[in-house]
Amino acid sequence: DAGVTQSPTHLIKTRGQHVTLRCSPISGHKSVSWYQQVLGQGPQFIFQYYEKEERGRGNFPDRFSARQFPNYSSELNVNALLLGDSALYLCASSLGARGENQPQHFGDGTRLSIL
Amino acid sequence: GNSVTQMEGPVTLSEEAFLTINCTYTATGYPSLFWYVQYPGEGLQLLLKATKADDKGSNKGFEATYRKETTSFHLEKGSVQVSDSAVYFCALLTGNQFYFGTGTSLTVIP
Repeated sequence: DAGVTQSPTHLIKTRGQHVTLRCSPISGHKSVSWYQQVLGQGPQFIFQYYEKEERGRGNFPDRFSARQFPNYSSELNVNALLLGDSALYLCASSLGARGENQPQHFGDGTRLSIL
Repeated sequence: GNSVTQMEGPVTLSEEAFLTINCTYTATGYPSLFWYVQYPGEGLQLLLKATKADDKGSNKGFEATYRKETTSFHLEKGSVQVSDSAVYFCALLTGNQFYFGTGTSLTVIP
């Protein structure tokens, strides 16, 4: 079975541009979460979506938005890119909305570089 | 608030040495605790978890015990291998949100 897949794997943008990152969860998983991992740091939670509804939001500005589609795939959008947005963006999927007994499975991430 | 503190790395050990990576947490409520591992160029893989106090998570020779009295979840392995070289992240889950530590880089030399 395929794991969590993310696209693209690498992306280079300039300040002020917009970017869309994509994630396909493991088949049967209905929850998708997004994380930002700055070099040398642990992942920081951005959003969780379950059944196409936002279920959680981390401490990120409104330039960050996301959505989940009927097939449970998800997009993360970032507007007005800043140099500080350079990071590895990780997507994770799980069966349900609450993860205590449902481990999150991570994709390999999208490496975003802002010039 | 919720947070996780891990021992800073990098950690370098010889093959077959004993490993301990310390992790302490601050949380409201009753979180679940996790260790994830990240190999170069890859995403995070779940290593082990514990969902309540005194639970012990174990996998691939690694283990960690959820200690509520010391708010700790230290990772241990009795004999490390070169293939264990990676970055290890301690994390807590409360509600729908994960909180990760900053990661500890482990290098095992032959």
